[in-house]
Amino acid sequence: EIVLTQSPVTLSVSPGERVTLSCRASQSAGNDLAWYQKKPGQPPRLLFYGPSTRATGIPARFSGSGSATEITLTISSLQSEDFAIYYCQQYNNWPWTFGQGTKVEVK
Amino acid sequence: EVQLVESGGDLVQPGGSLRISCATSGFIFSNYRMHWVRQAPGEGLVWVSYIERGGSGAVYVDSVKGRFTISRDNAKNTLFLQMNRLSVEDTGIYYCVSDPIGGTNHWGQGTPVTVSS
Repeated sequence: EIVLTQSPVTLSVSPGERVTLSCRASQSAGNDLAWYQKKPGQPPRLLFYGPSTRATGIPARFSGSGSATEITLTISSLQSEDFAIYYCQQYNNWPWTFGQGTKVEVK
Repeated sequence: EVQLVESGGDLVQPGGSLRISCATSGFIFSNYRMHWVRQAPGEGLVWVSYIERGGSGAVYVDSVKGRFTISRDNAKNTLFLQMNRLSVEDTGIYYCVSDPIGGTNHWGQGTPVTVSS
């Protein structure tokens, strides 16, 4: 099973700040990596797959990069609606797995 | 518009059974692999199972293998998850998810399953 480790666990930021989240895989997942945003009471929302292809409807302030064993999600200027938990996920090997999440909270 | 609507979640005693459903619309259901993902209270996400387009192939995470069965009715555009020998660890919100359609995958709002005595 591919284990995904996200860092940091929690990030306290102010609106307008630049945010960088990381996800490291225990073994190569090729390009079969994705990022999701999760807010309370809502289903996860796909942000990126491939892992740099922006999903439909995702604003340009979000960007994804990396591959194989390390990917990064960047939010260039955090908006109020971006406070959420962010999960990376691999779909290269079954079982598909998620990281433990990074909570982006208000500073 | 793609829509996925789960139903059937309930409070069940340990050892009991439950079948949850996902009614879909807005896309050609039989053309897409379908999935179930779970989130336990205060916990992360677990990709529980998926089923191939025709229904002949399916995979399960180890923790549910032998107890859960995913199935689909392509004539009725509906996905199912039969859950047997439920344990408290199976408690959570169960989401129905489609393979990517139009540049993103699609999620239902989820149905809550609570296993408790």
